[in-house]
Amino acid sequence: SQQGEEDPQALSIQEGENATMNCSYKTSINNLQWYRQNSGRGLVHLILIRSNEREKHSGRLRVTLDTSKKSSSLLITASRAADTASYFCATDAIEPSGTYKYIFGTGTRLKVLA
Amino acid sequence: SQTIHQWPATLVQPVGSPLSLECTVEGTSNPNLYWYRQAAGRGLQLLFYSVGIGQISSEVPQNLSASRPQDRQFILSSKKLLLSDSGFYLCAWSVGRQETQYFGPGTRLLVL
Repeated sequence: SQQGEEDPQALSIQEGENATMNCSYKTSINNLQWYRQNSGRGLVHLILIRSNEREKHSGRLRVTLDTSKKSSSLLITASRAADTASYFCATDAIEPSGTYKYIFGTGTRLKVLA
Repeated sequence: SQTIHQWPATLVQPVGSPLSLECTVEGTSNPNLYWYRQAAGRGLQLLFYSVGIGQISSEVPQNLSASRPQDRQFILSSKKLLLSDSGFYLCAWSVGRQETQYFGPGTRLLVL
């Protein structure tokens, strides 16, 4: 699997339900970010969580980070039809040379049914 | 506040024709700039990034090149487009390489 791989690839839920998406990565990181992309649009930054943080909230979003398992989850509570979009995680992978490389996952396509 | 512009929004080009996509950022100085390509229904592939004028790093060897003639201008070019160059091209900027990236609206390129 590649760095920053989201799971599931696609998710369909009813309005009002919670949506949980997961991201796994391979190398050590300094931070992990979640982005959202509406169809045919650019990405919008949602939340950044640093490697020394375990949980972060922003409105209806809750992000967790488990560096021991190299994984993160994004929870959207009380979902709305407007939350329908693709969600990507991005990690700043530390390369053997010591430089940082930002890598985006393949995304989770969320569909919220009204 | 900072804004990022990309143009054109859509582009249909024949195989073998040249390409020039432009990205400009307003409201910030010395940004890190990025070009990504996104295939339909897929994730983002980093093509180029730049930490300053004239400084370009290529992530993937291919038919494309990038230039940064001014601090807040980033251009993606090709001398001869291939069918495989079709995709959604996104420009982004950040304050530093490990910080939040802010994306432009994208350019949808179709090579026929």
